[in-house]
Amino acid sequence: DIVMTQSPDSLAVSLGERATINCKSSQSVLHSPNDKNYLAWYQQKPGQPPRLLIYWASTRQSGVPDRFSGSGSGTDFTLTISSLQAEDVAVYYCQQYYSSWTFGQGTKVEIK
Amino acid sequence: EVQLLESGGGLVQPGGSLRLSCAASGFTFSNYAMSWVRQAPGKGLEWVSAISDSGGTTYYADSVKGRFTISRDNSKNTLYLQMNSLRAEDTAVYYCAKEPAPVGFADVWGQGTTVTVSS
Repeated sequence: DIVMTQSPDSLAVSLGERATINCKSSQSVLHSPNDKNYLAWYQQKPGQPPRLLIYWASTRQSGVPDRFSGSGSGTDFTLTISSLQAEDVAVYYCQQYYSSWTFGQGTKVEIK
Repeated sequence: EVQLLESGGGLVQPGGSLRLSCAASGFTFSNYAMSWVRQAPGKGLEWVSAISDSGGTTYYADSVKGRFTISRDNSKNTLYLQMNSLRAEDTAVYYCAKEPAPVGFADVWGQGTTVTVSS
């Protein structure tokens, strides 16, 4: 199984500042034939289901604010919130779908 | 509006069985693969099972293989998860999720149904 490890487990960021979450996979999730990284990011607020933010590592889902961006390739990925808003307080998960599905342990984002 | 609505959760004793349902609306259900993902109290997300659009191919996490069965009725726009030989560690919120591509992520999630396995 591909193991997904996120860092940090939690972070506190001031409103308007940048938040960066890292995700590392135990093996590459880059599919060479189509040059796509099989990596998604989700946001989950308390009492709610996950919400898809990013897929193919860097493609923003429709309706997701452009302050959310994804980057990386192979085994190392990053989710960036360019200017943190109060409504972004949540737990964020990365997920690989290269081989079955596995999720990172989650990163809790709070306001400093 | 695309919607998924889970039902069937509840309290069950260890060793017991439960069948979860997920009613889909707002999209052509038979065109999409579907999955079940669970979340134990205070924990992260764990993929449980997936099924192809036709229902002909199924996949399971090792933790539930041989105990859980995923199925679908495309005429009723409904996804199912039959859970047998339940254990305390199966206690979780169970979400159904729609996959927009045959090999993919989940773009729509239900609100979840809670399963508690306890004596």
